Formats: sequence, C-alpha cells, structure tokens
Amino acid sequence: DQQVKQNSPSLSVQEGRISILNCDYTNSMFDYFLWYKKYPAEGPTFLISISSIKDKNEDGRFTVFLNKSAKHLSLHIVPSQPGDSAVYFCAASNSGSARQLTFGSGTQLTVLP
Amino acid sequence: EAGVTQFPSHSVIEKGQTVTLRCDPISGHDNLYWYRRVMGKEIKFLLHFVKESKQDESGMPNNRFLAERTGGTYSTLKVQPAELEDSGVYFCASRQSGYGYTFGSGTRLTVV
Repeated sequence: DQQVKQNSPSLSVQEGRISILNCDYTNSMFDYFLWYKKYPAEGPTFLISISSIKDKNEDGRFTVFLNKSAKHLSLHIVPSQPGDSAVYFCAASNSGSARQLTFGSGTQLTVLP
Repeated sequence: EAGVTQFPSHSVIEKGQTVTLRCDPISGHDNLYWYRRVMGKEIKFLLHFVKESKQDESGMPNNRFLAERTGGTYSTLKVQPAELEDSGVYFCASRQSGYGYTFGSGTRLTVV
C-alpha cells in the first residue's frame, strides 16, 4: 500500500511556463515533506522541503504548497527551464522515525524549448 | 568534500549468484541508509545504520539480503542468492544528525 502517491508519471511543459507537480499522501503521521530531483544515472538531489506547520515554502523559482486537510502537496516551478527536465520525487517523513523517507514513484518532467 | 560513493555503478549477474554492493558515506556522517528503486516505481527504504548499529531494517525484503557497516564507516549490501525480482537501482544515502540526506549515484543491479 503506497503511502505517498504521484499519480502523473510524466508532464511536459513549454519553457517559460509554470510546471505543477502533485503528490498525495495517506499517512497522517507524516510531518515533513520533501521534493527531490533526479537526473539519469545520478542519485536524487534535494530540492525543497516543507514542515507540516507551514502551508508554503518558496526558494527562488521553486515553491512547495502543503494542504494538510487534503493530504496533498504540490511543487510549482516558475518559470520552467529546459535544465529542469528530470524525474521529481515527492517524499515524506515522520520526525519520530529517524528521518526514514517514504517516496512516491516520481514524475518525469520534460521542459520543451 | 567528497560525496556518497557507490560501487559498482552497474552489475549484471545470473540468478543464484551473489553480489555485494558497497557504499562509502560522507566522512563524519553517522547515519547511513539503503534504498531501492525497482522497475521505475517508488524508491523504497531498506535499512538504516547509526554508526555500526542497525537502527531499522524493517524494509529488508527477506533474509537473502545482508547489510553490514563494520567500524561505522563504509557499508556493504550483499544479496545471496540473487533472484530476478532483485533487479533495480540500489541507492545509499548518508546524513549527519539534524541535516538532510546526500544520496549516492546508485548501483544498477540486473539479475538475468
């Protein structure tokens, strides 16, 4: 039973437009959420995170929104650039579990020039 | 600062053989994790070391998998005997307490 779900396996966006990646979770014990970016043949690299006490966190072109009542988070990338093309993983943790991460299955983002 | 190093980067073995994956974490990182991604699905937790002790091995699939971290430095993950369903990408990550993860590039294991 997947506790973190990314229902869109792929997304294509035009350069300069907004990319919106979505993630849903089922475990109400999760209190910290992260987005990772992964290029082929590389490991996931941290992008941005949000604590459950917040509903928005922004870092440059990247913003993560958290809706706890809906158990939903999203990553917005504005403006999208071709170098953003990668697989994006949503992850969640329970601060009481030694930061073990539960990942979604990833969304392949392709930004078209 | 060197990152998390994993080797081999690729391994192709026959069903029934043994394979050992190695991970060198960032120096000073007490926390070391193994994760696995199978068939393009989610990245799944396998186990967590704190120094040389296994903190949590609840994600290990079965007793064909054995992880060690002697001396609290590098770690090995042995699969013996390997089965077809063990194919996937095995990621190692290390973390200093209070800070975030750094992942290695992974070992792509193919069992034929």
